[in-house]
Amino acid sequence: QKEVEQDPGPLSVPEGAIVSLNCTYSNSAFQYFMWYRQYSRKGPELLMYTYSSGNKEDGRFTAQVDKSSKYISLFIRDSQPSDSATYLCAMRGNNRLAFGKGNQVVVIP
Amino acid sequence: EPEVTQTPSHQVTQMGQEVILRCVPISNHLYFYWYRQILGQKVEFLVSFYNNEISEKSEIFDDQFSVERPDGSNFTLKIRSTKLEDSAMYFCASSQQSATNEKLFFGSGTQLSVL
Repeated sequence: QKEVEQDPGPLSVPEGAIVSLNCTYSNSAFQYFMWYRQYSRKGPELLMYTYSSGNKEDGRFTAQVDKSSKYISLFIRDSQPSDSATYLCAMRGNNRLAFGKGNQVVVIP
Repeated sequence: EPEVTQTPSHQVTQMGQEVILRCVPISNHLYFYWYRQILGQKVEFLVSFYNNEISEKSEIFDDQFSVERPDGSNFTLKIRSTKLEDSAMYFCASSQQSATNEKLFFGSGTQLSVL
């Protein structure tokens, strides 16, 4: 089983819809969970950062972690065309980040 | 807002040639990293660096790769004899500390094309 699984299928949603992204992982040593946003030809930009199981909210973004199921999610409410990007989940248990493959999200005006 | 800067943004080289990718980490950061992303693949860890030495490296980071902090601001990745499969986007990242709860900040990347 791969360390971090993220279904890379592109996601197109109409403006204002809720975007739902998720990742699963197999390594119990992962303690810190992040979502990065990556625009075309740019580096990953840290969007959300969580540690414990539960929800963390920041504006229109909500990150959810379920350590018992080894499952993390990102929700984007009231999606905007400017949210169109690739979203990468990432996890850390030691000195290195392990990334998912990324989800390309397109928000259609 | 401080940021990690990388040069060049795009590097084209012939197979077998040496390349040096350059990075200027955020000024008060002490831990430096290189990651790479082959087209369509995951971002992969290459190496971490602290106090002028490698602290961890992945299986990708073989003898063809080396890193250096030649002065107080630059952090470089050298590939001695490039192969076709080295073609990828290379990202530099930095953090203030190495603790697992520390956030990494990434540069915009150098797209390396090996012909």
